[in-house]
Amino acid sequence: GENVEQHPSTLSVQEGDSAVIKCTYSDSASNYFPWYKQELGKRPQLIIDIRSNVGEKKDQRIAVTLNKTAKHFSLHITETQPEDSAVYFCAARRSGGSYIPTFGRGTSLIVHP
Amino acid sequence: DSGVTQTPKHLITATGQRVTLRCSPRSGDLSVYWYQQSLDQGLQFLIQYYNGEERAKGNILERFSAQQFPDLHSELNLSSLELGDSALYFCASSVMDRGNTEAFFGQGTRLTVV
Repeated sequence: GENVEQHPSTLSVQEGDSAVIKCTYSDSASNYFPWYKQELGKRPQLIIDIRSNVGEKKDQRIAVTLNKTAKHFSLHITETQPEDSAVYFCAARRSGGSYIPTFGRGTSLIVHP
Repeated sequence: DSGVTQTPKHLITATGQRVTLRCSPRSGDLSVYWYQQSLDQGLQFLIQYYNGEERAKGNILERFSAQQFPDLHSELNLSSLELGDSALYFCASSVMDRGNTEAFFGQGTRLTVV
C-alpha cells in the first residue's frame, strides 16, 4: 500500500518568514495530492491540492509543487502569519481500484509574532 | 461547515464498555472514511465504505466494526474499550471512492476512556 513520509514534524518560524513542508510517497500510481490544515481541536480542512498532470499550483500565499519522478511534493507558505499556526497534513491517493487517501504524520507549524 | 456531521462531539466512558459513533456524510457523497487520531499522532485510516459496502480496511482492531446504512450514514462501533482507545475519531466523506475527489472531514468525536 501507499506510504507517505512527511518532514519536518515541527516547524517554528518568525512571522513574515516562509515555511516549507515536504512529503514523499511510495506508490507511483498516486495522482492526487491534497494538503489539509488542522487547527487545534478542529477538523482537518483542505487548503490546496495538486494533481499529477501539473507541477505547481498556487493560491495566494500557499503553493504546492510536485515532482512525480522523485515522488515528492511540498507545501510552501510565504509571508507566514500567526493564524497559519496549525498542524498540516499531506496525503496521496490514486484513482482506479479501491484506494484511500494515505496521510503523512503531520507537521506542527508555529508562527511566532 | 463541511457538511459532514458527527455525533456525539464528546464521549466519556469506562474501560470494557461499548460505544457507537455516528456520521452523516455530505449530501450526495457516497463514500465514508473513518480515521483515528491519537494524541500527537497522525490520521490513522480505519475503514472505508462506499454506497453501503465495505471498500477498504486499514489498521482497524477486531474490537471495532463499522457499517454504512441505506441512507448512507455510517456508524463506528467500538467495544471492549481500553484506555488506549482514547482518541479523536474523524469521519470523512467524498463523492466517489476513487478519482481526484476531495474528502471532507467532520468535526470529530473525542472519545475518552477512563
